[in-house]
Amino acid sequence: RKEVEQDPGPFNVPEGATVAFNCTYSNSASQSFFWYRQDCRKEPKLLMSVYSSGNEDGRFTAQLNRASQYISLLIRDSKLSDSATYLCVVNSMDSSYKLIFGSGTRLLVRP
Amino acid sequence: DAMVIQNPRYQVTQFGKPVTLSCSQTLNHNVMYWYQQKSSQAPKLLFHYYDKDFNNEADTPDNFQSRRPNTSFCFLDIRSPGLGDAAMYLCATSRVTSGRLDPYEQYFGPGTRLTVT
Repeated sequence: RKEVEQDPGPFNVPEGATVAFNCTYSNSASQSFFWYRQDCRKEPKLLMSVYSSGNEDGRFTAQLNRASQYISLLIRDSKLSDSATYLCVVNSMDSSYKLIFGSGTRLLVRP
Repeated sequence: DAMVIQNPRYQVTQFGKPVTLSCSQTLNHNVMYWYQQKSSQAPKLLFHYYDKDFNNEADTPDNFQSRRPNTSFCFLDIRSPGLGDAAMYLCATSRVTSGRLDPYEQYFGPGTRLTVT
């Protein structure tokens, strides 16, 4: 079983739609969770950290479910510029500062 | 602006010809990481430096080595590149402090895309 699993997509949605991605992780002791965004042929960029209580940043909402070991990302009012790959990231079993990346979920927002 | 810089952005090398990729940072972060990312795959950690301490991942091939001459710079050396080493190589940094409870986010450079001919 992979340490971090994501649906590769692509999710193809119209502008203005709400879209949600889930990600599951295998290490129940994980403490750090992130969503990164990666544009085609570019580097990953931190979108948001995911906290136990859930957190929101504008149109983006992240949730953590420790019991089921998954995290989610909700994007409201999708923009064309949201088209990218979204990487789910969890800290490694052997270190709090080493990160394990999922393969990403690809989002395509169409006009 | 504080940042992570990678040079070159694109590197073409011949099969078996050694190549060095460089990374520098102005963030004054104490941990630097090297990742390999192939198309449609997750970034895969090769190794990292925690200050001067080198930490190799168990499955990183011996063909890959790294040097960190000072806090700001880190190099990735590929001794004998094979066709399978063609990938994007990403450098990242993080500030790690003992006892800190917050998550340790990492900041990436733009990457070096390596082609092996």
